[in-house]
Amino acid sequence: DIVLTQSPESLAVSLGEGATITCKSNQSLLYPSHNKNYLAWYQQRPGQPPSLLISWASTRESGVPDRFSGSGSGTDFTLTISSLQTEDVAVYYCQQSYSTPLTFGQGTRLEIK
Amino acid sequence: EVKLVESGGGFVQPGRSLRLSCRTSGFTFGNFGVSWIRQAPGKGLEWVGFIRSNVYGATTEYAANVKGRFTISRDDSVGIAYLQMNSLKTEDTATYFCARDVDYSPSHVDYWGQGVRVTVSS
Repeated sequence: DIVLTQSPESLAVSLGEGATITCKSNQSLLYPSHNKNYLAWYQQRPGQPPSLLISWASTRESGVPDRFSGSGSGTDFTLTISSLQTEDVAVYYCQQSYSTPLTFGQGTRLEIK
Repeated sequence: EVKLVESGGGFVQPGRSLRLSCRTSGFTFGNFGVSWIRQAPGKGLEWVGFIRSNVYGATTEYAANVKGRFTISRDDSVGIAYLQMNSLKTEDTATYFCARDVDYSPSHVDYWGQGVRVTVSS
């Protein structure tokens, strides 16, 4: 199974400041023939189901604020929030769909400092 | 508006069965695969399994720890996906989410239900 390791496990950031979460895979998530990284990011606010933020490592979903961005390729990926807002308090998960079983990172809890 | 609504959860003893339903609306259900994903209390997300659209034979894939006990099916005539859970164990206690998959094979999901709680305990 592919293992995804997120860091940090928790993060406290001041409003308006930036936040960076990393996700490392124990094998490459890049399909060269498709030129796509099979990595997605989700946000789960307290008491809510997760919602999709980023697909294919860097494609922001419709309706997602542009302060959220994804980057990386192969085994190393990053979710960046450029200017933290109150509504960004949540747990963030990366997920790979390169192979089954699909797996998730353990999650990163983001709080306001 | 795309909607997925789970039902059928509850409290059940170990070894018993439960069937969850995922009622959908707002999109052409038959064109999409569906994943089931669960979340144990206070824990992270765990993929349970996936069913392809009928165009791809409605074939299924499962996580190893539920394979042989859980079965995913679908009824495109009513836009519902099912998760039949047999031989339930205490470690199956979780909130179960159904979600619409974006691809014909297990991939990321773009819409989630609110989830339904399943508690397995004696």
